[in-house]
Amino acid sequence: KQEVTQIPAALSVPEGENLVLNCSFTDSAIYNLQWFRQDPGKGLTSLLLIQSSQREQTSGRLNASLDKSSGRSTLYIAASQPGDSATYLCAVDSGNTPLVFGKGTRLSVIA
Amino acid sequence: DVKVTQSSRYLVKRTGEKVFLECVQDMDHENMFWYRQDPGLGLRLIYFSYDVKMKEKGDIPEGYSVSREKKERFSLILESASTNQTSMYLCASSLQGSYEKLFFGSGTQLSVL
Repeated sequence: KQEVTQIPAALSVPEGENLVLNCSFTDSAIYNLQWFRQDPGKGLTSLLLIQSSQREQTSGRLNASLDKSSGRSTLYIAASQPGDSATYLCAVDSGNTPLVFGKGTRLSVIA
Repeated sequence: DVKVTQSSRYLVKRTGEKVFLECVQDMDHENMFWYRQDPGLGLRLIYFSYDVKMKEKGDIPEGYSVSREKKERFSLILESASTNQTSMYLCASSLQGSYEKLFFGSGTQLSVL
């Protein structure tokens, strides 16, 4: 059974810093991996989707990478801003079941 | 833009009541999902549906049922609400296919007293 882990559970950084959020999964036979953002008390918003054949995807200051063989993905946020403060979740699509989510990393960017 | 609308943002119910949570999407998505989210436990899948009239149990279906009579609407039913069903409930939808993004509603914070 696929398991998704995100470490650390919480992260606090000063404004302007570049940062990396980590996601690991146990079964490398995946179709895609998605990164989501969740603001407190709100639903999730899809940020990036990386197909299994891709190595990375970029959107603005966000860059997500995927290494299937090692079961890892990273979300890189450049020049962090207080508005980036949120919980970031990754989720894996193994093709025959619904997405499996990690528990998320709660990011605080301090002005 | 895809819109997934959950009928209530906040809901307070009493133990034993039958509770209906409604979810409507406007993008003709085949797939619809119900999750609950609790601190420390993350997102847990309750039920999902890949087509009208179809439903599949997720990881924690006990105490819940669902209805999908129309493609755009997926209802979650708490047959007899209990205090341990106090939670944030999130509905989501997507197109079929392996490379489709998942879209979420804003969530319903349910309190069962």
